[in-house]
Amino acid sequence: DAKTTQPNSMESNEEEPVHLPCNHSTISGTDYIHWYRQLPSQGPEYVIHGLTSNVNNRMASLAIAEDRKSSTLILHRATLRDAAVYYCILRDDTGNQFYFGTGTSLTVIP
Amino acid sequence: EPEVTQTPSHQVTQMGQEVILRCVPISNHLYFYWYRQILGQKVEFLVSFYNNEISEKSEIFDDQFSVERPDGSNFTLKIRSTKLEDSAMYFCASRTGGFLAYEQYFGPGTRLTVT
Repeated sequence: DAKTTQPNSMESNEEEPVHLPCNHSTISGTDYIHWYRQLPSQGPEYVIHGLTSNVNNRMASLAIAEDRKSSTLILHRATLRDAAVYYCILRDDTGNQFYFGTGTSLTVIP
Repeated sequence: EPEVTQTPSHQVTQMGQEVILRCVPISNHLYFYWYRQILGQKVEFLVSFYNNEISEKSEIFDDQFSVERPDGSNFTLKIRSTKLEDSAMYFCASRTGGFLAYEQYFGPGTRLTVT
C-alpha cells in the first residue's frame, strides 16, 4: 500500500480558508487520492476524491500536483464543525482496501 | 438519508469470551468492511466482504476473527476468544458496487472493552 505523509496537526481561524497538505511520493498511476475526516467520537466520513484533475464538491476542493506526488485539501471557510482528523488515503485499483495514516488533526479557533 | 447502523454502541466482555458485533449496512450496498481503531491510534483495515465471501483481509484479521452476512441485512464480526488488546472501537462500512463507487459509508462504531 502506498504511503501518505501528513502534518500531525494544524490550526485555522474560523471562517478562514484551510489548506491541508498530503505527500504521496510513491503513488502509482492507478491510485485514487481520497480524503476522509473523522469528527470526535464518530466514524470516518467521506470528503472528496480525485485521480489527476482538481476536484470541487460542496464540502471542499482537492488540488492535485501535476506529478501526483502531493495533494492539498482545501476547506474554503473553516467552521467549528470542521474540527476533525483529516485523512489522506490512496486507494489502489482493486478498490477494496483503505489504509488510513495518522492524519492531520485540525483545530478551528473561534 | 440512509446510514450504516451498528449495535451495540458499547460492549464489555471478559477476556476469553466470544463477542459478536453487528452492523446493518445501507440496503443496496454490495461491499462491506470492518475496521478498528485502538484508542488514540489510527483506523486500521480488518476485512472486506463481497458476494458472501472475504475479498481481502489484513494481518490483524487472524483465526480469532470471522465475518458473516447471515441474512440480507446484517453483517457481523465475531471475535472467538477476546484478548485485552482487542479493546478498540470497531467500525463497519459499506459501499455500492463498481470500481467508481468510491465512497465508503461508515457506521458510528461499537466500543469493545475487554477486561
